Amino acid sequence: AAGVIQSPRHLIKEKRETATLKCYPIPRHDTVYWYQQGPGQDPQFLISFYEKMQSDKGSIPDRFSAQQFSDYHSELNMSSLELGDSALYFCASSSTLTEDEYSTDTQYFGPGTRLTVL
Amino acid sequence: GEDVEQSLFLSVREGDSSVINCTYTDSSSTYLYWYKQEPGAGLQLLTYIFSNMDMKQDQRLTVLLNKKDKHLSLRIADTQTGDSAIYFCAEGEGSQGNLIFGKGTKLSVKP
Repeated sequence: AAGVIQSPRHLIKEKRETATLKCYPIPRHDTVYWYQQGPGQDPQFLISFYEKMQSDKGSIPDRFSAQQFSDYHSELNMSSLELGDSALYFCASSSTLTEDEYSTDTQYFGPGTRLTVL
Repeated sequence: GEDVEQSLFLSVREGDSSVINCTYTDSSSTYLYWYKQEPGAGLQLLTYIFSNMDMKQDQRLTVLLNKKDKHLSLRIADTQTGDSAIYFCAEGEGSQGNLIFGKGTKLSVKP
C-alpha cells in the first residue's frame, strides 16, 4: 500500500540557513499535517491543510511557513534556523472519505525528516 | 488544556502480556490512537478506537476504553522482543483535527 513520502530523510543545516521539507500524502488523502518531535519528546502539532487551505495551526514559529499545492503535496519552509529546530519532522495525511484500507480521518505518518542544525 | 499522560517505562519478559496505560483530559475526543515508534523511525499506527466503544481487539492487541475515567489501555499479548519500542497514546477529534500525544511509554522486552 502507498504510504506518506517525505523528503529529504536527513538534512543538515547551519544556523540562520533555510530549509524546505517536502511531504507527499497517501494518494487521494485530502488533509496533511506537520508535527515536530524533539529528542526524547512527543510529537507536537505544527500546522495542517485541508484541500489546500490551512485548517489548523499549532505551535509553529513565525519563522516557519507551509503550504499545500494543487497536487496535494505540502512543503514546510523554515528560515533563520536555530539550534533548537533540530528535530524529527513528521508529515501525516488523512482522508475525510473512507478509502481502500485506510480508515476515515485517521492520520498516517511518514518516516520523518531528521533536521540537524549546527 | 488538553493533556495526555502515560507512564514512561514498562519492562516485561518475552511471552508475557504488556499493558500500557494512558489518561486523557479532552472529553470531546472522538478518536483515541496507539502509535508505535522504533528507534530512529517514524510513527506506525497500531490501532485506534472510537470514543463510543469500550473495547477493540486486533490480533495480539486489545484496546480498552473507560470513557468515564478517560482511561485508555493497550494490551499486547505474548509480547516479543520485536515489540520493544516507544508507544504513544494520542487523542484527536477526527476530521482534520490535530492529535495530542502523550510522552510515550518505552517498552523493553527481556528474553
